[in-house]
Amino acid sequence: SQTIHQWPATLVQPVGSPLSLECTVEGTSNPNLYWYRQAAGRGLQLLFYSVGIGQISSEVPQNLSASRPQDRQFILSSKKLLLSDSGFYLCAWARTGINQPQHFGDGTRLSIL
Amino acid sequence: QQQVKQSPQSLIVQKGGISIINCAYENTAFDYFPWYQQFPGKGPALLIAIRPDVSEKKEGRFTISFNKSAKQFSLHIMDSQPGDSATYFCAAGGSARQLTFGSGTQLTVLP
Repeated sequence: SQTIHQWPATLVQPVGSPLSLECTVEGTSNPNLYWYRQAAGRGLQLLFYSVGIGQISSEVPQNLSASRPQDRQFILSSKKLLLSDSGFYLCAWARTGINQPQHFGDGTRLSIL
Repeated sequence: QQQVKQSPQSLIVQKGGISIINCAYENTAFDYFPWYQQFPGKGPALLIAIRPDVSEKKEGRFTISFNKSAKQFSLHIMDSQPGDSATYFCAAGGSARQLTFGSGTQLTVLP
């Protein structure tokens, strides 16, 4: 069966510090991968998605970036965090193809001080 | 045109009652409509999904009703239980391999 792992579960960072969140998927090959941000009490905002190694599409211009160094690894990064970067970050995967269900990890709660 | 509007924002139902959450979309290219359930501190989990070639899909106590002409779809939870208390998100997808999510409904089922 397929599983998705995100870490860390919680993170507290000062303004201006760098960020690296990691997501890995097991039990499938060549998945589509997604990073979302969820503000408190709000819906999910798609940040990045990837259909293959090194292929990243950005949905929202901001100081975040994403990379996919391996088939089942997706990384969300920032060089300098802003207060507005606080939120709940979720990684998801889906099988290749149109309209495949997305499956989410348990997220990282990021607080910027 | 990519927006999915979800209502109500919050819903309180007595145990055993019916919970109804509604969503409306604008983009006629959407052809996949999943619903997700999210508990606090967890990621959303796929609950049930429908494609526009059917008007209703039922899985246990959960039913999706779909009205293509009105561009609306809804989630019905029959015999609602306290364990159903969670946030529910509708979403819509098309050929772009992406989902557009509604803003969520916080459901509370009173014992």
